[in-house]
Amino acid sequence: EVQLVESGGGLVQPGGSLRLSCEASGFTLKTNWMTWVRQAPGKGLEWVANIKQDGSEKYYVDSVKGRFTIARDNAKNSLSLHLNSLRAEDTAVYYCTRGANFANWGQGTLVTVSS
Amino acid sequence: DVVMTQSPLSLPVTLGQPASISCKSSQSLVNSDGNTYLNWFQQRPGQSPRRLIYKVSNRDSGVPDRFSGSGSGTDFTLKISRVEAEDVGVYYCMQGTHWPGTFGQGTKLEIK
Repeated sequence: EVQLVESGGGLVQPGGSLRLSCEASGFTLKTNWMTWVRQAPGKGLEWVANIKQDGSEKYYVDSVKGRFTIARDNAKNSLSLHLNSLRAEDTAVYYCTRGANFANWGQGTLVTVSS
Repeated sequence: DVVMTQSPLSLPVTLGQPASISCKSSQSLVNSDGNTYLNWFQQRPGQSPRRLIYKVSNRDSGVPDRFSGSGSGTDFTLKISRVEAEDVGVYYCMQGTHWPGTFGQGTKLEIK
C-alpha cells in the first residue's frame, strides 16, 4: 500500500524558516516525480513545487521561487521542502503527492505563519 | 497559467440522483505526447484529496464505477450516476498538461 507521511509543520513567525519532510513507502520513490501541493485554510488546492525522479529538474510556482527548495533522497525514500522567508500567505496544509498527476496524497502538515 | 473553471461551485443533490460537474480549461489540454492530463479529485470533509479519475476518463483503483469522466480539448465533465452519502465533499479538476499544474476552484457537493 502506498503511504506518504508528512511532518515538520508548525507555527513560525514571518520571515522564518521550516523544513517539511515526506516519508514514502509502498512504492519505489526513484521512479516517480514528486510534488508538493498546499491548501490555505478554507481554500482550494495550489501546486507548489515538483522534482524529477533523479532530482535533476525542479519547478516552483512563481509565488515561492527563491524562497522554497524541494529536494529528495531516493535512498532514504524521502522528499523535503525547505521553506524560507515565510509570509502570512504561506499559511496552509502542505501535502506530499506522488507523480506528476498526484496519484497519491499524504495526510498533510499544517504550516502557520503568524507573529 | 492555464485557468480551470468549474461549475457549479455548489451542488445540492438528492440521494440516489445523478450529479454532474463541468470543468473548462483556458487552453487545450492535449499534450504533445497525445495524452490529455485532466484529473479529478475528491476531498471529503477533514480528509486529504484523493484522485478519482486520471487522463480524462480512467478510474483509479477502488473508485466506484458510479463515477465517470469524459470530455476532450477544453471541456470536461465528472458524472456521478447515483449520489451516495459518502460522496459529500469538494471535487476538483486539475490539469497536468501545461506547467504549472492548475486546479479548478472546487465544487462542493452536498445532500439536499
